[in-house]
Amino acid sequence: RKEVEQDPGPFNVPEGATVAFNCTYSNSASQSFFWYRQDCRKEPKLLMSVYSSGNEDGRFTAQLNRASQYISLLIRDSKLSDSATYLCVVNPEYSSASKIIFGSGTRLSIRP
Amino acid sequence: SQTIHQWPATLVQPVGSPLSLECTVEGTSNPNLYWYRQAAGRGLQLLFYSVGIGQISSEVPQNLSASRPQDRQFILSSKKLLLSDSGFYLCAWSTPPRGGRADTQYFGPGTRLTVL
Repeated sequence: RKEVEQDPGPFNVPEGATVAFNCTYSNSASQSFFWYRQDCRKEPKLLMSVYSSGNEDGRFTAQLNRASQYISLLIRDSKLSDSATYLCVVNPEYSSASKIIFGSGTRLSIRP
Repeated sequence: SQTIHQWPATLVQPVGSPLSLECTVEGTSNPNLYWYRQAAGRGLQLLFYSVGIGQISSEVPQNLSASRPQDRQFILSSKKLLLSDSGFYLCAWSTPPRGGRADTQYFGPGTRLTVL
């Protein structure tokens, strides 16, 4: 089993729709979690951290389910500009990023 | 604010030629620095990380090497490139682990390397 797994997609949804995708992780001791966004041929950029209580930033909501070992990202009222690859990131250590693991990404395409 | 620079943006090199990619960070001191490679359609693979000047840890065996001659400078090198070295090379930094979170990474714009 991969340490971090994501559905590669692509998710093809109409503008204005709500879309959600999950990311599962295998190490139950994982400490911190993130979602990054990567546009085509660009570097990944931090979208949001994922806290135990869940967190929301505008149209984006991230949640952590430790019991089932997955994190989720929900995008409401999707925009054309949300088209990108979304990378799930898991870190088993709080104070070091040397063990951080990136998922392969979920590709999202928003159509007009 | 912190910024991270990488150059060149794109590079086409013949097999067997040497490589030197440079990454510099501004606006922070004693960052952790990282080199990743992303093959087409694949996830990020950590190649090297550094917690200080002259301190390099290698994550995968390969014909690449890294050096950190200054606090905010990280260099990726190879003496002889292979076809399999083609990919998108990303440098990243994270805050030094002084009692707080050190795991949020911020990426440079990357270098797209094609080995022919």
